[in-house]
Amino acid sequence: GAVVSQHPSWVICKSGTSVKIECRSLDFQATTMFWYRQFPKQSLMLMATSNEGSKATYEQGVEKDKFLINHASLTLSTLTVTSAHPEDSSFYICSAGIHRGSQPQHFGDGTRLSIL
Amino acid sequence: AQSVTQLGSHVSVSEGALVLLRCNYSSSVPPYLFWYVQYPNQGLQLLLKYTTGATLVKGINGFEAEFKKSETSFHLTKPSAHMSDAAEYFCAVAGTGNQFYFGTGTSLTVIP
Repeated sequence: GAVVSQHPSWVICKSGTSVKIECRSLDFQATTMFWYRQFPKQSLMLMATSNEGSKATYEQGVEKDKFLINHASLTLSTLTVTSAHPEDSSFYICSAGIHRGSQPQHFGDGTRLSIL
Repeated sequence: AQSVTQLGSHVSVSEGALVLLRCNYSSSVPPYLFWYVQYPNQGLQLLLKYTTGATLVKGINGFEAEFKKSETSFHLTKPSAHMSDAAEYFCAVAGTGNQFYFGTGTSLTVIP
């Protein structure tokens, strides 16, 4: 069964609203989770690293004020797309793991965000 | 730094034919390499991974990949393609912090 749960799986909302996406590790505690973005027909691009109890680390070019990340517990990270606009429409995927390479990173099923 | 290059954004094979999807990597540390498959509007499914040990790695659905350090390659193969193999395939390398760096993906089409 799934070890990383991502919710919601699909969101459609109006431009200007904020959208929160949750990523939960179900069977383990994850001090670090990762958020990726995937545009249609393109690869996954790392957006940020979510660190439990501290600030997230954002990749170059990712607006931290636009994409707010909170990792308040060892099993939950949230990504909030603030004041979303049509160009933010994308597929967002989170992942979590324990040790580098010792077991595969577990990916959520993704959230498809459509901003009208 | 880590990066992955997938040669061929689109690959078409006949049903029953050999599947070969190419992946070359660059890594400043011993690489941990992965192949994932993605079906339309779905998340990623792990096919196989290489961390240490045997360089020929067998995965699910009959796929396998061979880690070749001298060629910095981790190509994915399957002896006989099935219609259900049609999907997007991503090669990835793990960074030192366990973040993943993905290739641009290869779309596999299987022709009946």
